[in-house]
Amino acid sequence: GAGVSQSPSNKVTEKGKDVELRCDPISGHTALYWYRQSLGQGLEFLIYFQGNSAPDKSGLPSDRFSAERTGGSVSTLTIQRTQQEDSAVYLCASSLEREGLQFFGPGTRLTVL
Amino acid sequence: AQSVTQLDSHVSVSEGTPVLLRCNYSSSYSPSLFWYVQHPNKGLQLLLKYTSAATLVKGINGFEAEFKKSETSFHLTKPSAHMSDAAEYFCVVSAVDSNYQLIWGAGTKLIIKP
Repeated sequence: GAGVSQSPSNKVTEKGKDVELRCDPISGHTALYWYRQSLGQGLEFLIYFQGNSAPDKSGLPSDRFSAERTGGSVSTLTIQRTQQEDSAVYLCASSLEREGLQFFGPGTRLTVL
Repeated sequence: AQSVTQLDSHVSVSEGTPVLLRCNYSSSYSPSLFWYVQHPNKGLQLLLKYTSAATLVKGINGFEAEFKKSETSFHLTKPSAHMSDAAEYFCVVSAVDSNYQLIWGAGTKLIIKP
């Protein structure tokens, strides 16, 4: 596709379960970002991948959160032992280069019961 | 370090009247500034961006924003509101000292009254 895609679009899980969120960036984009938007809040930066460099994990809120990017393309954000406060919309963005314009996916709405 | 402040959490205007969404920023370096819009149940869409060229930036759907360095502001305006403009608007700053991460404002909900 022409844009950033994310799956699933909606995820409902029980507290304590692990979840995986997927992001397919625009082909050729070397930079990939994960953000989350909690209800009533602005977007919060989580993690950033740039090419083959070590990712910038400075925004991850706890060690329950991790992400990887395989082959410089698809990225997976994993949340272990989910908590109710993890409920949010998780957004992925990619850009052609580090300082390039970021294109956003539609997001995954995560609800932790 | 950068920060962004959107001065109003909600703005309500009548259809056909002007729109003003206020944004102030702080940045140690020359920033890039953006306005994004999020319609209900839809993804984010870029409205416009400022990247050190013309200080008055025109975007899509009749929106524009003016970069005022002396006031550290990047307010979003539109001469005449339309019902379809009802959405959440985010002011965003990006700069080299934040690794070009986007620093987001909390958002302003624009309500259009018929």
